[in-house]
Amino acid sequence: DQQVKQNSPSLSVQEGRISILNCDYTNSMFDYFLWYKKYPAEGPTFLISISSIKDKNEDGRFTVFLNKSAKHLSLHIVPSQPGDSAVYFCAAISSAGGTSYGKLTFGQGTILTVHP
Amino acid sequence: GAVVSQHPSRVICKSGTSVKIECRSLDFQATTMFWYRQFPKKSLMLMATSNEGSKATYEQGVEKDKFLINHASLTLSTLTVTSAHPEDSSFYICSARTGGNIQYFGAGTRLSVL
Repeated sequence: DQQVKQNSPSLSVQEGRISILNCDYTNSMFDYFLWYKKYPAEGPTFLISISSIKDKNEDGRFTVFLNKSAKHLSLHIVPSQPGDSAVYFCAAISSAGGTSYGKLTFGQGTILTVHP
Repeated sequence: GAVVSQHPSRVICKSGTSVKIECRSLDFQATTMFWYRQFPKKSLMLMATSNEGSKATYEQGVEKDKFLINHASLTLSTLTVTSAHPEDSSFYICSARTGGNIQYFGAGTRLSVL
């Protein structure tokens, strides 16, 4: 039961262009979403997050958009740089109580390659 | 962001031995830490939630006697893989929460069991 899905295993983008990474979720209890960047053999690095009360959050070159009705979020990177090449994971969390409280549920990841 | 240190980064051990992995929050106190496992080309799978001063909460299918978790202080959680076997070879990652929803991750530990 994959509650968070990243349907694109990989994405290739030219340097300077926009990278758009997509993520869908099924659990309506999720109310906070995060994007992480990961290099091989390293732990994930936090990039940006968004609460379900917002539809957009921006931090420098990174912008996350949330469409609650569609249960869809996306990460935009503008402009893309070769150093952005990595695996990007979206993750979701439910702030409600119960057994799922505080746990991150990750998508499968998307490999982003930015070509010079 | 907050800094989480994980040690060792890589360990190779013989089958049947036990391996301890440490996870430390360096600049904050963490009442809750998390342990994940990542299989090759797969997502991160939550193994257990480590709670300071109490027993860890394990996810379904994770053997608590196999993966012993101790969270003795607000800055340290340890994962011990007991009687390791080749199928336990994997990439283990810990994370800690500063109090909000954001989890900060350690660099991970590559365990290879021969």
